[in-house]
Amino acid sequence: AQTVTQSQPEMSVQEAETVTLSCTYDTSESDYYLFWYKQPPSRQMILVIRQEAYKQQNATENRFSVNFQKAAKSFSLKISDSQLGDAAMYFCALTLYNNNDMRFGAGTRLTVKP
Amino acid sequence: SAVISQKPSRDICQRGTSLTIQCQVDSQVTMMFWYRQQPGQSLTLIATANQGSEATYESGFVIDKFPISRPNLTFSTLTVSNMSPEDSSIYLCSVLLGYVNTEAFFGQGTRLTVV
Repeated sequence: AQTVTQSQPEMSVQEAETVTLSCTYDTSESDYYLFWYKQPPSRQMILVIRQEAYKQQNATENRFSVNFQKAAKSFSLKISDSQLGDAAMYFCALTLYNNNDMRFGAGTRLTVKP
Repeated sequence: SAVISQKPSRDICQRGTSLTIQCQVDSQVTMMFWYRQQPGQSLTLIATANQGSEATYESGFVIDKFPISRPNLTFSTLTVSNMSPEDSSIYLCSVLLGYVNTEAFFGQGTRLTVV
């Protein structure tokens, strides 16, 4: 079975600063996807960034980047130049290539201070 | 991409009653997923709904409590039966699309309060 662990229930960052959210996971499979999803108070889940396990290069999307360490089963999210709109719950998630359901971590609540 | 319409967005129900949540997708998908998100918590998978077959339930969830229908490739319902206050949660439906750029899409969720 797959598990995803987020050990930071809450994080805080000053506007325009950088913050890193941690995620570790466990799976015996070698082919999988990793995701970071954002859930603002509206409840809508929004994809932030995606990483394919076979890719060694870390994914980036504008101000968002990941540090994917496959051997360590670590997948952290870095948010640069934090904005007030980044405040939300952030969930790390994993899905296998051959199994379509997605497993989520416990989430990290990010607060952005003006 | 996919657009998912989920109804109702919220409801307040009496204990002992049942609520059916509907999920409509704008494209055909093989599998749809139902999640529960308790207040301040993560998403827990309830079941996977396959068109033309019985839903597959995760440990801790049973069909009698959470019956699911999947009549076609764009629609599914989740019923929360014989509700108790412990069922107060957000319920979300989801689909997973793509083989190269896999992404999960979610409905906006149903906030259920049982009184």
